[in-house]
Amino acid sequence: KNQVEQSPQSLIILEGKNCTLQCNYTVSPFSNLRWYKQDTGRGPVSLTIMTFSENTKSNGRYTATLDADTKQSSLHITASQLSDSASYICVVSADSNYQLIWGAGTKLIIKP
Amino acid sequence: DAGVTQSPTHLIKTRGQHVTLRCSPISGHKSVSWYQQVLGQGPQFIFQYYEKEERGRGNFPDRFSARQFPNYSSELNVNALLLGDSALYLCASSLRGRYEQYFGPGTRLTVT
Repeated sequence: KNQVEQSPQSLIILEGKNCTLQCNYTVSPFSNLRWYKQDTGRGPVSLTIMTFSENTKSNGRYTATLDADTKQSSLHITASQLSDSASYICVVSADSNYQLIWGAGTKLIIKP
Repeated sequence: DAGVTQSPTHLIKTRGQHVTLRCSPISGHKSVSWYQQVLGQGPQFIFQYYEKEERGRGNFPDRFSARQFPNYSSELNVNALLLGDSALYLCASSLRGRYEQYFGPGTRLTVT
């Protein structure tokens, strides 16, 4: 069964600190993996997209890694800011269809 | 350029009623996907349309239907509303089905 699992479910860190969010997937055949940021009540915004051949991609203070062998991905946030408070969702696309398999997300809270 | 737009922003309906949600994709995008997001969970895939044809359907009852118009805008219809249909309904557009998706702000539906 195609699944995407994220950890932790929620995370609270102090402003300025770094953090890493995890994503494990069992999607086959794999096409690409995406990280989205979603503010409460708003639509998700894409942070990164990685295909099978890419193992790291950065977008400002956000750096995503992908290990296609272990089917794991991580999103590292550097020097967190209050505006980073949001849910971060890992999404995997299966090559066999048009659907995206969504994780439940990690709710990140940045405290001053 | 305008992003993905959705209307209405908020909607309150009573059980048993019918609702129509609307989405306009980014200019040039031919694929539209619909998602339901219940509070605290990740988005659940409902439908995807490409070039006015249904390309994917999630695990939702027949009360949910959609269509895409020649200008690539789309409508999501839900009949016989249930309390459990209360959610944020997200529309996403992309150039083609598997390309990066851009999300609209969502329509918040409350069923009482």
